[in-house]
Amino acid sequence: GENVEQHPSTLSVQEGDSAVIKCTYSDSASNYFPWYKQELGKRPQLIIDIRSNVGEKKDQRIAVTLNKTAKHFSLHITETQPEDSAVYFCAASNAPSEFYFGTGTSLTVIP
Amino acid sequence: DGGITQSPKYLFRKEGQNVTLSCEQNLNHDAMYWYRQDPGQGLRLIYYSQIVNDFQKGDIAEGYSVSREKKESFPLTVTSAQKNPTAFYLCASSTQGTETQYFGPGTRLLVL
Repeated sequence: GENVEQHPSTLSVQEGDSAVIKCTYSDSASNYFPWYKQELGKRPQLIIDIRSNVGEKKDQRIAVTLNKTAKHFSLHITETQPEDSAVYFCAASNAPSEFYFGTGTSLTVIP
Repeated sequence: DGGITQSPKYLFRKEGQNVTLSCEQNLNHDAMYWYRQDPGQGLRLIYYSQIVNDFQKGDIAEGYSVSREKKESFPLTVTSAQKNPTAFYLCASSTQGTETQYFGPGTRLLVL
């Protein structure tokens, strides 16, 4: 089965700096890679996703890059703000019923 | 994702007791999922259902059961066979043929 590894587990950045979270996956058949943001005690919310036919996708301050050859994808948050503080999860999927999640990164943005 | 509701928000289970977590969606989604979230771990799939009256085991189905009698509802029962049930349980749904999953607000299950 698929194995998704996510690094780092915790990340602290100064407000205004950039944050980068990386995930690797093992199954070359995986073709959909979403990122979720989860605030304390709340539901995960989809913030951006990318499919295997695209190398990069951007939405305002958030971007995701995918390297299919190396089997890794990354979340980039620029100009971080305190409200970006949360746990971020990556996932890899090759079928709607087969989602494999990373272990999460706790991001703290220091004002 | 506002169309997915879970209840209760907190649930307490006594030893040997079965408890049922509710998940309802009004998004007309075909597929529904149950995940378990433990501290420091990612979400792990318990059960999923792609159509009414059909469901499949996920990676950690032991000690859990589900039913899918209606498209809108996918209740999860945590049985007494689940020896370590304390966790945050998340329900999700998606439209058939798409991978994007939308999550409910979760139920935190605690053992007395």
